[in-house]
Amino acid sequence: DTEVTQTPKHLVMGMTNKKSLKCEQHMGHRAMYWYKQKAKKPPELMFVYSYEKLSINESVPSRFSPECPNSSLLNLHLHALQPEDSALYLCASSHGTTGVNQPQHFGDGTRLSIL
Amino acid sequence: LAKTTQPISMDSYEGQEVNITCSHNNIATNDYITWYQQFPSQGPRFIIQGYKTKVTNEVASLFIPADRKSSTLSLPRVSLSDTAVYYCLALTGANNLFFGTGTRLTVIP
Repeated sequence: DTEVTQTPKHLVMGMTNKKSLKCEQHMGHRAMYWYKQKAKKPPELMFVYSYEKLSINESVPSRFSPECPNSSLLNLHLHALQPEDSALYLCASSHGTTGVNQPQHFGDGTRLSIL
Repeated sequence: LAKTTQPISMDSYEGQEVNITCSHNNIATNDYITWYQQFPSQGPRFIIQGYKTKVTNEVASLFIPADRKSSTLSLPRVSLSDTAVYYCLALTGANNLFFGTGTRLTVIP
């Protein structure tokens, strides 16, 4: 079990669907992250929220839209995705503003498949 | 950015000590070296973090020489459950959250 909870664990969607991935942590962390991980590859940073404000967007296509409703929750809204977007989407959190010298705590991800 | 380089894969027998070395030639003054472990279909898990010399916790040791251009993760007496991918990162700030290729460790009975 992890302290970062991601739902759903698995998601299959068509290219015209709209869905959302959810992430929740109750460790009082103020930085939250979205990563994308393809099979046998390292995680790739997508977005960073610091104190509920978007601080980093790693040139992610607009079909991915992050949202941080409060300090415990992080969403990733999906729309008009492409088959190459199929991957494991990981959420993480850490103390303070960013990962500076502060280890990130990861959820176990949402396995996303685009038909 | 402090890019890290690790061996792609390693094999080890159960009960042996495993040392995984990471190179980070352009590490910045404020960078900390951080190691994560990842099992299939799970998120990475923090193992250990250090700045210089040696750090030890209940699962691993981290050795960092004086020039800090490399570091070595040491796993004592590995078991089959230690089979995983191990990532080395040099962390300093918001723009340095990049995982390297990782080392796939396979523990053999």
